[in-house]
Amino acid sequence: DQQVKQNSPSLSVQEGRISILNCDYTNSMFDYFLWYKKYPAEGPTFLISISSIKDKNEDGRFTVFLNKSAKHLSLHIVPSQPGDSAVYFCGGSGNTGKLIFGQGTTLQVKP
Amino acid sequence: NAGVMQNPRHLVRRRGQEARLRCSPMKGHSHVYWYRQLPEEGLKFMVYLQKENIIDESGMPKERFSAEFPKEGPSILRIQQVVRGDSAAYFCASSPTGGFNTGELFFGEGSRLTVL
Repeated sequence: DQQVKQNSPSLSVQEGRISILNCDYTNSMFDYFLWYKKYPAEGPTFLISISSIKDKNEDGRFTVFLNKSAKHLSLHIVPSQPGDSAVYFCGGSGNTGKLIFGQGTTLQVKP
Repeated sequence: NAGVMQNPRHLVRRRGQEARLRCSPMKGHSHVYWYRQLPEEGLKFMVYLQKENIIDESGMPKERFSAEFPKEGPSILRIQQVVRGDSAAYFCASSPTGGFNTGELFFGEGSRLTVL
């Protein structure tokens, strides 16, 4: 049962342009949605989150949009930088406390 | 304030041996989660523990895997009679509130298990 899905395994963008990473979910009970960034051989690090009662949260170059009716969220990175190249995991958290992650999207930002 | 500490960072075992992975949560955190990342796959939830209690083990394989978080000391993920398919990166995460406030979990660097 894949509760969180990231259907794009990879994304390549040019430095300075916008990166848009997408995520779909099926569990309506999630209270929070979070994005984590992961470099090879390192642990995931928290990037940004959004409460299920909001539709947008912004932090610097990162903005997360939530469309509850479509059960879809997206992460926008603008402008993209080469250091943003990593694997991005979308996750949902509900009343059990555990985070359920999607499969991840590998972002490559080309100089 | 040290982050989540996992050891060993790398572990090599032969088939049939036991693997023990340890996780010390961040100071003040009493909720621990274990995740597994198989090669070319995402992060899969395994188990959620509080001190001396298993809260949710719905992601744990039915056999050979066990986890504990004793009153004193680190959390331990134990894999008995390892097989090649157990080769993966195992990540531990901790939270002060069980993720109920913001959902945020703090992850360690991971332990990479290789089964020969």
